[in-house]
Amino acid sequence: GAVVSQHPSRVICKSGTSVKIECRSLDFQATTMFWYRQFPKQSLMLMATSNEGSKATYEQGVEKDKFLINHASLTLSTLTVTSAHPEDSSFYICSARVPGGRYTQYFGPGTRLTVL
Amino acid sequence: GQQLNQSPQSMFIQEGEDVSMNCTSSSIFNTWLWYKQDPGEGPVLLIALYKAGELTSNGRLTAQFGITRKDSFLNISASIPSDVGIYFCAGQWGSGNQFYFGTGTSLTVIP
Repeated sequence: GAVVSQHPSRVICKSGTSVKIECRSLDFQATTMFWYRQFPKQSLMLMATSNEGSKATYEQGVEKDKFLINHASLTLSTLTVTSAHPEDSSFYICSARVPGGRYTQYFGPGTRLTVL
Repeated sequence: GQQLNQSPQSMFIQEGEDVSMNCTSSSIFNTWLWYKQDPGEGPVLLIALYKAGELTSNGRLTAQFGITRKDSFLNISASIPSDVGIYFCAGQWGSGNQFYFGTGTSLTVIP
């Protein structure tokens, strides 16, 4: 299957700082990437859809000024958590849509964010 | 957003037993995907289904796209300890639209 990477895998930061998470499609070009948030023992919650070269589409209740998404190339999307607070601590996972043919999406390994 | 109901929520089975789980939706879907997630990892795609009634296998795993297009099933035969994890279904009703994820089924295999 297609490979999606995320960096960093874990990050600990102080309250008030900003954190950037990268999502890369390694062996294909992804015009569409997705960002999810997952709380312990819960399902994945879609935060936003990231389209290359255009503004991201945010789900209801997700603050776009808080969670900045940039999809500047066909292989890279970034999520920046601005002015992070302890309640932003979570597991953030990206996925990328494989273009052409039947619709499939592959997930990255996730990023564990802890805000102190 | 919409969420799919998965059943059962959790399962505890003996190694070697077969496993069945399902996913239901109030809406019709055109695509169903099944994923497995290990703790601290991202979900890994197991099987993709694109047509009502379709039955697809991946090793010991078999998944079916329900004929009503509102449900899907995943079976695991002869379970082994490494099958432990959380299994998620995901459904999509139109290409280009988002996938909706199930609530997950936690599987524990007792050696």
